[in-house]
Amino acid sequence: KQEVTQIPAALSVPEGENLVLNCSFTDSAIYNLQWFRQDPGKGLTSLLLIQSSQREQTSGRLNASLDKSSGRSTLYIAASQPGDSATYLCAVRRPQAAGNKLTFGGGTRVLVKP
Amino acid sequence: NAGVTQTPKFQVLKTGQSMTLQCAQDMNHEYMSWYRQDPGMGLRLIHYSVGAGITDQGEVPNGYNVSRSTTEDFPLRLLSAAPSQTSVYFCASSYRQTSAGEQYFGPGTRLTVT
Repeated sequence: KQEVTQIPAALSVPEGENLVLNCSFTDSAIYNLQWFRQDPGKGLTSLLLIQSSQREQTSGRLNASLDKSSGRSTLYIAASQPGDSATYLCAVRRPQAAGNKLTFGGGTRVLVKP
Repeated sequence: NAGVTQTPKFQVLKTGQSMTLQCAQDMNHEYMSWYRQDPGMGLRLIHYSVGAGITDQGEVPNGYNVSRSTTEDFPLRLLSAAPSQTSVYFCASSYRQTSAGEQYFGPGTRLTVT
């Protein structure tokens, strides 16, 4: 059974510092991995999707890496801003996952202090 | 495109009452899913659909019914609400399995059962 873990559960950094968020999964046979952002009381916004054949994906200040063999993905956010404060979730999808089912980590709650 | 929409945003029910959570998407996605989000439990799949007329159970289906008569709509029914169903409910949609599979989430319905 696939299990996804995100450590730490919470993180506080000063504005301008780079953010490094970790995601680990137990079964390396994944189809893709998706990073989401969730603001308090809101839904999930997709940030980046990495296919199993890719090593990394970039969008603006965000960069996500994937190492299937070690079961890890890392989301880097450069030059953090107070507006980056949110909970970040990673989710993996297995090949042939029925209904494109995602298995989620518990999330990392990020606070960027001005 | 409106993306994935959910109604209502908030709902309070008494134990034993029934209700339907609405979900609609305008992206012509084949796959639609319902997840619930609980503190300490992450997001868990309730039911999913791979197309009109086809639904199946996820991890936590008990107490919920679904149907999918059109591509656009995927309502979730609580037949007899219980306090254990207090949660935040998210609807998601995506293209079929063989595509990149990026999932799009609605804003959520916050349900309290007293």
